[in-house]
Amino acid sequence: IAGITQAPTSQILAAGRRMTLRCTQDMRHNAMYWYRQDLGLGLRLIHYSNTAGTTGKGEVPDGYSVSRANTDDFPLTLASAVPSQTSVYFCASRPDRGNEAFFGQGTRLTVV
Amino acid sequence: QKEVEQNSGPLSVPEGAIASLNCTYSDRVSQSFFWYRQYSGKSPELIMSIYSNGDKEDGRFTAQLNKASQYVSLLIRDSQPSDSATYLCAVTSIKAAGNKLTFGGGTRVLVKP
Repeated sequence: IAGITQAPTSQILAAGRRMTLRCTQDMRHNAMYWYRQDLGLGLRLIHYSNTAGTTGKGEVPDGYSVSRANTDDFPLTLASAVPSQTSVYFCASRPDRGNEAFFGQGTRLTVV
Repeated sequence: QKEVEQNSGPLSVPEGAIASLNCTYSDRVSQSFFWYRQYSGKSPELIMSIYSNGDKEDGRFTAQLNKASQYVSLLIRDSQPSDSATYLCAVTSIKAAGNKLTFGGGTRVLVKP
């Protein structure tokens, strides 16, 4: 793994189903973020984690949960998907004193 | 009020001209400021970061920060068609809950040959 990886790349999901989007980084960054991106709304923060074992709510946390059991992984779970959760999801990580947030390639999720 | 606001555009700029993008933020304790470029269907990529008041230049890009007025801007000189993209302003702030990285809605820039 080089950098930050998301899986799956895309997914079509039936409404009401549970889904976990995976995010893994090998840069040992403490801070990690989940965003959703919808046309005209930019990147909206769903949840974030400053270090393993801690998480925080962002701008649009409802319907999503996260966990941070270790430094490398930061999965995002949709407990019961709804069509309004159709979006492109980006995971990102950032070093403690660094400039740049590194982004995964994104997951395109369609809830039908 | 959104924490970070940008004009959505599109900002149409002739090739070779200067593109000027603005961003305002609401949290006075914001510490770090970034401009990201995002091509359609791709992930955002960092093009500029700025931490103190004033100007910072990097190639054809200049970032300007004014903390008193709570705005940060990006100038793109000698705009090229390859600069056509969405530009995202991002801000970090350290609050009780920790270090958040918040983005604006983005400004779409179209550079016309």
